[in-house]
Amino acid sequence: AQKITQTQPGMFVQEKEAVTLDCTYDTSDPSYGLFWYKQPSSGEMIFLIYQGSYDQQNATEGRYSLNFQKARKSANLVISASQLGDSAMYFCAMREEKGGSEKLVFGKGTKLTVNP
Amino acid sequence: DGGITQSPKYLFRKEGQNVTLSCEQNLNHDAMYWYRQDPGQGLRLIYYSQIVNDFQKGDIAEGYSVSREKKESFPLTVTSAQKNPTAFYLCASSSYRADTGELFFGEGSRLTVL
Repeated sequence: AQKITQTQPGMFVQEKEAVTLDCTYDTSDPSYGLFWYKQPSSGEMIFLIYQGSYDQQNATEGRYSLNFQKARKSANLVISASQLGDSAMYFCAMREEKGGSEKLVFGKGTKLTVNP
Repeated sequence: DGGITQSPKYLFRKEGQNVTLSCEQNLNHDAMYWYRQDPGQGLRLIYYSQIVNDFQKGDIAEGYSVSREKKESFPLTVTSAQKNPTAFYLCASSSYRADTGELFFGEGSRLTVL
């Protein structure tokens, strides 16, 4: 079963508008971390934002915020005031711990296109 | 500047040949990872290492091998046993001392089998 689900293969948004990228996760661990990464066409992975499972408040980093709904196991990324440079692939990931080792499990991503 | 260096950026190989992708980091991170990315897909974990001289298989380790003889280096060998090796390979590292433990990534190596 998928541990990270991103149901939107592609999203379109007008420049200067806000957009929400969906992410749901599956875990039975009480302690976990959720991440969002951006991957431009050049291929590098850029860390955007992190939410810990015990964090009381939603994480924010500049124009990025994470809408964390623990009971629903969702961690949606909200990008406000979209810019043309936001066009990229966006990946949701969850830190998983097993046998004393930690690793990140990624979703399949959402391709965001910002239109002028 | 601290970071992760992957080389080569582009690599072509003939079927039946082994190839080694280099990954070096100067961030003093303990953990290092190799991911594979196919078009339109997410990242899938090949191998990871939490400490020198130790590593674990990820979800798709078959046909790959790694070593971790130095903290800074985590090379990945794509062997001839890998059935479909054409892909984009990303190396990453992380520190246990960081608050979030996010992964820092290299720029990737694109392998094409001819």
